[in-house]
Amino acid sequence: GAGVSQSPRYKVAKRGQDVALRCDPISGHVSLFWYQQALGQGPEFLTYFQNEAQLDKSGLPSDRFFAERPEGSVSTLKIQRTQQEDSAVYLCASSLVGDSDSPLHFGNGTRLTVT
Amino acid sequence: GNSVTQMEGPVTLSEEAFLTINCTYTATGYPSLFWYVQYPGEGLQLLLKATKADDKGSNKGFEATYRKETTSFHLEKGSVQVSDSAVYFCALYTGRRALTFGSGTRLQVQP
Repeated sequence: GAGVSQSPRYKVAKRGQDVALRCDPISGHVSLFWYQQALGQGPEFLTYFQNEAQLDKSGLPSDRFFAERPEGSVSTLKIQRTQQEDSAVYLCASSLVGDSDSPLHFGNGTRLTVT
Repeated sequence: GNSVTQMEGPVTLSEEAFLTINCTYTATGYPSLFWYVQYPGEGLQLLLKATKADDKGSNKGFEATYRKETTSFHLEKGSVQVSDSAVYFCALYTGRRALTFGSGTRLQVQP
């Protein structure tokens, strides 16, 4: 399909494990965002890429969180030494450009459960 | 900082009832305002938007008017259907790249 694809759909990790979450944005989309959505809450911004450049990582909650987009398309969000508070749905979104006139297209998310 | 406050759900309505979901915001500058919808098992989708005061966004029978004087962007629909059952998120954008979302309001429409 032509939408934003995220994998895996579900991930269960034991506390202390490292995880990697993948996002395939819509082809040609310059901007890519990661959001974290806790249960019953709205998505909260984590980080933003324009092509391969990470222009804003102010939302990453700790230095255990790391994101990359090395070739300006696929992005990976990595969480090291997972903690229970990391349990959430991680959403990826892409847009053609990075302004309000360019709508965000969201993936279905990866639900991470840390036990 | 920027924030969005939505009415708590769930909102339960019968089919063909009138819907209002309240949304108020706090922002520096002049934000653009959005409603996103998340149907069961699907990703967030843009429902409608308004980019300046007094603008009305509309889509699929839903409407919302950007009210600067009351800092509100309430979502309305005249006659809801079972297929409108979803979680609705109000959001704002101030030009600093990221959207700020409300906590979402679950709508349940019963036949």
